[in-house]
Amino acid sequence: AQKITQTQPGMFVQEKEAVTLDCTYDTSDPSYGLFWYKQPSSGEMIFLIYQGSYDQQNATEGRYSLNFQKARKSANLVISASQLGDSAMYFCAMREAPWRAGNTPLVFGKGTRLSVIA
Amino acid sequence: GAGVSQSPRYKVAKRGQDVALRCDPISGHVSLFWYQQALGQGPEFLTYFQNEAQLDKSGLPSDRFFAERPEGSVSTLKIQRTQQEDSAVYLCASSPTGMSSYNSPLHFGNGTRLTVT
Repeated sequence: AQKITQTQPGMFVQEKEAVTLDCTYDTSDPSYGLFWYKQPSSGEMIFLIYQGSYDQQNATEGRYSLNFQKARKSANLVISASQLGDSAMYFCAMREAPWRAGNTPLVFGKGTRLSVIA
Repeated sequence: GAGVSQSPRYKVAKRGQDVALRCDPISGHVSLFWYQQALGQGPEFLTYFQNEAQLDKSGLPSDRFFAERPEGSVSTLKIQRTQQEDSAVYLCASSPTGMSSYNSPLHFGNGTRLTVT
């Protein structure tokens, strides 16, 4: 079963506008972490923001915020005031707590390609 | 500061050749991961090292794939008898903490793009 689902293969946004990238996840573990990464055409995966399953408040990092709805198992990324340099692939990822397995790798979704239009 | 460094940046191999991909993690980072990213897909986990110990190799697709990190720093991913389906970007990531820290972000390199012809 797919653990991370990103339903938007591609998104367009006007420069200076806000955009929401969707992410839903599947886990029965009460302890987990949710991450968003940006991958520009250069290929590097750049960490953007983290949300822990026990965090009461939504995470924010500059222009990035995470809309965490635990009951819906949703962790959408909101980018405010989009810039041309935001054009890239965006990946949602989850890591469960290693209670039994010893190692629980970071599991990625298929990604959303964001294009910012001038 | 220095990030995760991977070499070569690009590798073209003929089917059947062996290849070796190098990862130089951030100094002092305990954890090291290898991921495989096919075109248009998200990265998929291959293997995990904590210092020099390979604690998880559940993601390696076949016994043609082998990874090592003998001194707990630089790691090499080796693919023997390459096949066309091995064509992908291979990403290395490191983290300062051990495997129990599931809330610690991974720091990725730029990857090695392998093309098997």
